[in-house]
Amino acid sequence: GAGVSQSPRYKVAKRGQDVALRCDPISGHVSLFWYQQALGQGPEFLTYFQNEAQLDKSGLPSDRFFAERPEGSVSTLKIQRTQQEDSAVYLCASSENGGTYNEQFFGPGTRLTVL
Amino acid sequence: DQQVKQNSPSLSVQEGRISILNCDYTNSMFDYFLWYKKYPAEGPTFLISISSIKDKNEDGRFTVFLNKSAKHLSLHIVPSQPGDSAVYFCAASASNTGNQFYFGTGTSLTVIP
Repeated sequence: GAGVSQSPRYKVAKRGQDVALRCDPISGHVSLFWYQQALGQGPEFLTYFQNEAQLDKSGLPSDRFFAERPEGSVSTLKIQRTQQEDSAVYLCASSENGGTYNEQFFGPGTRLTVL
Repeated sequence: DQQVKQNSPSLSVQEGRISILNCDYTNSMFDYFLWYKKYPAEGPTFLISISSIKDKNEDGRFTVFLNKSAKHLSLHIVPSQPGDSAVYFCAASASNTGNQFYFGTGTSLTVIP
């Protein structure tokens, strides 16, 4: 079956521009996660949804970052007024249910470059 | 503050030999640990996991060892194959603090034919 997909795969934005990154999780997966991976680093948690509810947004670096999952499937990560330090790969992952001991399946990521 | 650390950025191993990748963590509340493998331009893919009630989990050529007292885990790959060349991330989570994973910075493994 289809895995997690993300679009666009690459995005170049001018500083100050708003961007929207899309994630299509595996069908039926309850939990959805967003991570930010800077160059040479491991993925860092941004936010977590269980169905349409955003249960944890403690990792969002500023109020310029906003995520939604209105119907409990597709999710969008929006970054307003992008800054150069926002340049990173943004990874989306989904898991079957909300339990801790569940494998997270990752998408290929969106590489954001802010000029 | 990095709660999961992989102190070796890279490792080279001859094909057929054992690869040992190491990971240390600082948070004693972590109770679930995973290894992910990542190829360039792809997302991480799950490799193997271990819960804190065990000290070893084996799956084919891959074995993960957990030493809770030392807050250390390791991934053994034997025998190593050229297709194992990738970046390996160690990750950890704590059941009482939600579902997020904390990742290390990765170790790039090169298996030389």
